[in-house]
Amino acid sequence: EDQVTQSPEALRLQEGESSSLNCSYTVSGLRGLFWYRQDPGKGPEFLFTLYSAGEEKEKERLKATITKKESFLHITAPKPEDSATYLCAVLASGSRLTFGEGTQLTVNP
Amino acid sequence: DAGITQSPRHKVTETGTPVTLRCHQTENHRYMYWYRQDPGHGLRLIHYSYGVKDTDKGEVSDGYSVSRSKTEDFLLTLESATSSQTSVYFCAISSGVWQAKPNTFGSGTRLTVV
Repeated sequence: EDQVTQSPEALRLQEGESSSLNCSYTVSGLRGLFWYRQDPGKGPEFLFTLYSAGEEKEKERLKATITKKESFLHITAPKPEDSATYLCAVLASGSRLTFGEGTQLTVNP
Repeated sequence: DAGITQSPRHKVTETGTPVTLRCHQTENHRYMYWYRQDPGHGLRLIHYSYGVKDTDKGEVSDGYSVSRSKTEDFLLTLESATSSQTSVYFCAISSGVWQAKPNTFGSGTRLTVV
């Protein structure tokens, strides 16, 4: 059974304090790993797709990386507007998309 | 959320009553999905559609049915609502192949069954 575990559940940072969110996964035959951002009262917003170990994607202050067992979402010099819940999801061969429970990020000014 | 509209945004209903949630898209995407989101669980797929009148079950489909009579509309029906179906429901669309990641999610419907 495909499993996705995100850590920490919640993270509080000061503005400018860089950190990383973790997404550990156990799947057979990874076809893709996806990061989403979800603001309160809204649906998830797609951020990145990663397909294989060693791949990296960047968007503004966010950078996603992946190994064979986990993915990281690095946040560099975050701003309060980066506060949101970040979701990770994996797609494996012959199965459906599996989402993690998310990491709730709060960035204080 | 550009291209997807969910209605209603909030609904309170009584146990045992039927409930229909609507998802409308203007993107002409082939694939549409219904998810539910609950504390302690990630988003879970209820049903999905890969074309007009073509639908299939997801991982938590018991107690739910769907219909897609037009490309733009995907309806989710709770035949007889139960308290365990209290949740936030999201519709999503994708232009990619089956089970590609949903590109766009709606803003959700918060359903409370009392």
